[in-house]
Amino acid sequence: QQQVKQSPQSLIVQKGGISIINCAYENTAFDYFPWYQQFPGKGPALLIAIRPDVSEKKEGRFTISFNKSAKQFSLHIMDSQPGDSATYFCAATAGTASKLTFGTGTRLQVTL
Amino acid sequence: GAVVSQHPSWVICKSGTSVKIECRSLDFQATTMFWYRQFPKQSLMLMATSNEGSKATYEQGVEKDKFLINHASLTLSTLTVTSAHPEDSSFYICSAGIVTWAEYFGPGTRLTVL
Repeated sequence: QQQVKQSPQSLIVQKGGISIINCAYENTAFDYFPWYQQFPGKGPALLIAIRPDVSEKKEGRFTISFNKSAKQFSLHIMDSQPGDSATYFCAATAGTASKLTFGTGTRLQVTL
Repeated sequence: GAVVSQHPSWVICKSGTSVKIECRSLDFQATTMFWYRQFPKQSLMLMATSNEGSKATYEQGVEKDKFLINHASLTLSTLTVTSAHPEDSSFYICSAGIVTWAEYFGPGTRLTVL
């Protein structure tokens, strides 16, 4: 019940295209859903996060869509750029002071 | 913005020696920090929760006597890998935050045990 399932494992998108990464969870106590971007050899960086009281959150080219009834959330990267090539992790936590449960990661490659 | 730093960024040691990794919150106080371990092409695995002024809370399966955590101040937590072996070679990352404890991750420490 603590798992967060993430798909796809890897993704190749052309420059200018839309990258979509999906996550699903079981624990209904989760109330904070962040996404992280990680470049090789670096620590993860918080990209965008959402709480279940909204269905969508947008920050620049990055959008989280949240479906509470389906217990799913996804990251959309619009106008994908080669600089977006990285590994993306979704995560969830029950309470802001609680530990994170991470998805398995998606390796995104944006080609020219 | 708030930053979490780690030192060293990479370390190579001989089997059987101990290695200390520092995690610092540079411009905020962190009563709680988390320590993660990440193997190549895998996700982050939480090792322990470091609490300032008290004992760390370890995740199931993590040896507390091998991975010693000390959170002696509001800006510093240390992870000591004792009697390191090649299987301890990994990427160690800490995190801390202000609004949530998930906001800021350190740059990571690459440990290689020969």
